[in-house]
Amino acid sequence: SAVISQKPSRDICQRGTSLTIQCQVDSQVTMMFWYRQQPGQSLTLIATANQGSEATYESGFVIDKFPISRPNLTFSTLTMSNLSPEDSSIYLCSVRTSPGSSNEQFFGPGTRLTVL
Amino acid sequence: AQSVTQLGSHVSVSEGALVLLRCNYSSSVPPYLFWYVQYPNQGLQLLLKYTSAATLVKGINGFEAEFKKSETSFHLTKPSAHMSDAAEYFCAVRGYSTLTFGKGTMLLVSP
Repeated sequence: SAVISQKPSRDICQRGTSLTIQCQVDSQVTMMFWYRQQPGQSLTLIATANQGSEATYESGFVIDKFPISRPNLTFSTLTMSNLSPEDSSIYLCSVRTSPGSSNEQFFGPGTRLTVL
Repeated sequence: AQSVTQLGSHVSVSEGALVLLRCNYSSSVPPYLFWYVQYPNQGLQLLLKYTSAATLVKGINGFEAEFKKSETSFHLTKPSAHMSDAAEYFCAVRGYSTLTFGKGTMLLVSP
């Protein structure tokens, strides 16, 4: 298994500002992901964070808006730039400890963002 | 391509009653299927997963799910609901690599 912590747990930001979320895992993992969970909605994959290279973004998400870093096998950050109220959501870090498709993913507690 | 449909955004049961949460999936390859539970203000916790070893899968907290390929379903059940089961439940499918979630079903348990 994997224990995931996220900082901050919640934040309130002004329109036009940026926020960086940190994700720390207690063990080395092969795959790290960032998800968004909008109010009353399901989880949507933003991107796969690749260690030492650019993240792989899903359709509808771009690097300029959601830059992601992953400097090692236990840590990743998601930055959200030029925030708007539509970005108000819960952002979740997720990891898979080995790459096999049958393996489960573990989720962090989430960061609750409110943009005014 | 893959997708998940969860029937019913809210399901209400009485304590001690049967819990049935419905999930249908679509996948272009043999799928791996998962049920997660999310308690208020917490992250997701895995309840159980189907990885082709057995069609009836038992998970934590007395939950189980049956994979039915002919019906493309993976419904979650529990014989007797407990108050502590009140939470949101997500069904998810993985084909090649990424995990796709359904919209979730909120389970409400009344005394």
